[in-house]
Amino acid sequence: DAKTTQPNSMESNEEEPVHLPCNHSTISGTDYIHWYRQLPSQGPEYVIHGLTSNVNNRMASLAIAEDRKSSTLILHRATLRDAAVYYCILRDGGPNTGFQKLVFGTGTRLLVSP
Amino acid sequence: NAGVTQTPKFQVLKTGQSMTLQCAQDMNHNSMYWYRQDPGMGLRLIYYSASEGTTDKGEVPNGYNVSRLNKREFSLRLESAAPSQTSVYFCASRRLAGGSTGELFFGEGSRLTVL
Repeated sequence: DAKTTQPNSMESNEEEPVHLPCNHSTISGTDYIHWYRQLPSQGPEYVIHGLTSNVNNRMASLAIAEDRKSSTLILHRATLRDAAVYYCILRDGGPNTGFQKLVFGTGTRLLVSP
Repeated sequence: NAGVTQTPKFQVLKTGQSMTLQCAQDMNHNSMYWYRQDPGMGLRLIYYSASEGTTDKGEVPNGYNVSRLNKREFSLRLESAAPSQTSVYFCASRRLAGGSTGELFFGEGSRLTVL
């Protein structure tokens, strides 16, 4: 399974943008990049995913490097509620893929200060 | 929308006792999963059910059994609890087991302590 590497922790101030990096140098052509986050005492929740092009949704933006070996989750204006552990995960989207377990790793703990 | 519901939310067991964690989803999803999360660690897959009627082992299945009772419900049983099974357990569901899209939906977790 292709693996991802993320910093253990990052800090931000409220209302500032946050860029959470993820390295995935062994990504394959059919791997999609997924991001989940886990708020304190809750289960993980989906944030965003993409393949090659940058993606935006109401929660965040995903910027994918041209060579796809890295990506960045962007929170445009951090709030206290965004303090969570963020997981970057690869998922094979090939046409014949069956079940795949999502390997969550330890993620990046984002601390947001008022 | 209830989503994924887990019961109980908290449980304390003595070594050797048995118990069942219940999980139900109301999103008509085909695949369901049980993960465990130990302090400071990521989630590890215990068992999964790609579709109704099938179950398979994940990364850490020893000491657990599962039952996919119907499309909605997927239970996790500890036959003889051990302190090493102290953890937070998360149930999740997804519309389909395979493919690139389709997010996982998680329950709020069940915190189990084995003394």
